[in-house]
Amino acid sequence: DPKIIQKPKYLVAVTGSEKILICEQYLGHNAMYWYRQSAKKPLEFMFSYSYQKLMDNQTASSRFQPQSSKKNHLDLQITALKPDDSATYFCASSQTGTNSNERLFFGHGTKLSVL
Amino acid sequence: SQWGEENLQALSIQEGEDVTMNCSYKTYTTVVQWYRQKSGKGPALIILIRSNEREKRSGRLRATLDTSSQSSSLSITGTLATDTAVYFCATSGYNKLTFGKGTVLLVSP
Repeated sequence: DPKIIQKPKYLVAVTGSEKILICEQYLGHNAMYWYRQSAKKPLEFMFSYSYQKLMDNQTASSRFQPQSSKKNHLDLQITALKPDDSATYFCASSQTGTNSNERLFFGHGTKLSVL
Repeated sequence: SQWGEENLQALSIQEGEDVTMNCSYKTYTTVVQWYRQKSGKGPALIILIRSNEREKRSGRLRATLDTSSQSSSLSITGTLATDTAVYFCATSGYNKLTFGKGTVLLVSP
């Protein structure tokens, strides 16, 4: 019974389009994260949110926008998609996000392919 | 070693053998976490070692931490085919964990 749900599991998009990756967690955690994994950069940190506030953003491009409508939701909107955006995107959560030693719990990922 | 500009490391062994993976990190950390990622899944924490611990054991897993050389190792004794996965070390930083490039471990039955 997965506690972090990512939708969809697979996503194919055309260059220039826009997609939203969904993430919901049912662990009662207050911090959520997005990581990206590709052949070039395994498990690259993108964003962290704590109590629905953006804590850190390591994504250079404004094409990537996290959206937190509820404490247990952190969606990822990607606009003007490029083939280089092809990767598996992982959502994760932790208890508070204020203790840097907290363990992360990951979802199964959304594999995005941009043609 | 996982960090820096090194390519993803790969190890191929037979079931029953012991294996050790190394990780060196660049910045100060109070904790090193080791994650395992099986094919098609997200990473999952398998062992965590704090800066005041030199060694930590959990079942067949043993982690070490040397803060002076900024390095950690993960050993698995009596490997099983189900240990086949990618293993990442991760260090703590402000508001995030930073992951190494990983070690691919293939255990053949």
